[in-house]
Amino acid sequence: GAVVSQHPSWVICKSGTSVKIECRSLDFQATTMFWYRQFPKQSLMLMATSNEGSKATYEQGVEKDKFLINHASLTLSTLTVTSAHPEDSSFYICSAKIAGSTDTQYFGPGTRLTVL
Amino acid sequence: AQKVTQAQTEISVVEKEDVTLDCVYETRDTTYYLFWYKQPPSGELVFLIRRNSFDEQNEISGRYSWNFQKSTSSFNFTITASQVVDSAVYFCALSGAIQGAQKLVFGQGTRLTINP
Repeated sequence: GAVVSQHPSWVICKSGTSVKIECRSLDFQATTMFWYRQFPKQSLMLMATSNEGSKATYEQGVEKDKFLINHASLTLSTLTVTSAHPEDSSFYICSAKIAGSTDTQYFGPGTRLTVL
Repeated sequence: AQKVTQAQTEISVVEKEDVTLDCVYETRDTTYYLFWYKQPPSGELVFLIRRNSFDEQNEISGRYSWNFQKSTSSFNFTITASQVVDSAVYFCALSGAIQGAQKLVFGQGTRLTINP
């Protein structure tokens, strides 16, 4: 149980285009999902907390107009990287908490974004 | 502020050796959770264990064991009789236990290499 999927697993795009990444909880409902970014050989950096039916809460330094987050249902959150640039190339990972739970985050497999 | 320190950046051992990954944390919360996650080369974070701050009992799961010492703010992870498949980056993480304070704070990770 507690499986989280991400789509796509990798994406290559041209500079200036927008890319949407989906995060789904497959066998549970998640009122809260999280989006992280990970650079090579570094730890995970929390970008934003996504709550179903409300606006996402962004961490300091993360541009909310560039990284659009939508949590439209209890099983789906999306991250859209708008007008992507090469510096946005990174590994993006989402996680989800079981609704009503206060503890464990279950992580998706990640999406590797390369912007040319 | 919460902080997690994994002082060992990289560890390399020969198969069948025992290895301990250190984790030291800082928090002002009286109630909190500690976690260990494994990140194999595929990138997905695999949940290993969650420990509540009120529960200082050590835990053993197969070849894995965890030592939680509140007095020294440490939550160390030991792999007994290591195997090549244990090669991965291991992250220790901390979160608050109160609703609304559940962001995960990650350590920098320890890259473990098990050589045949």
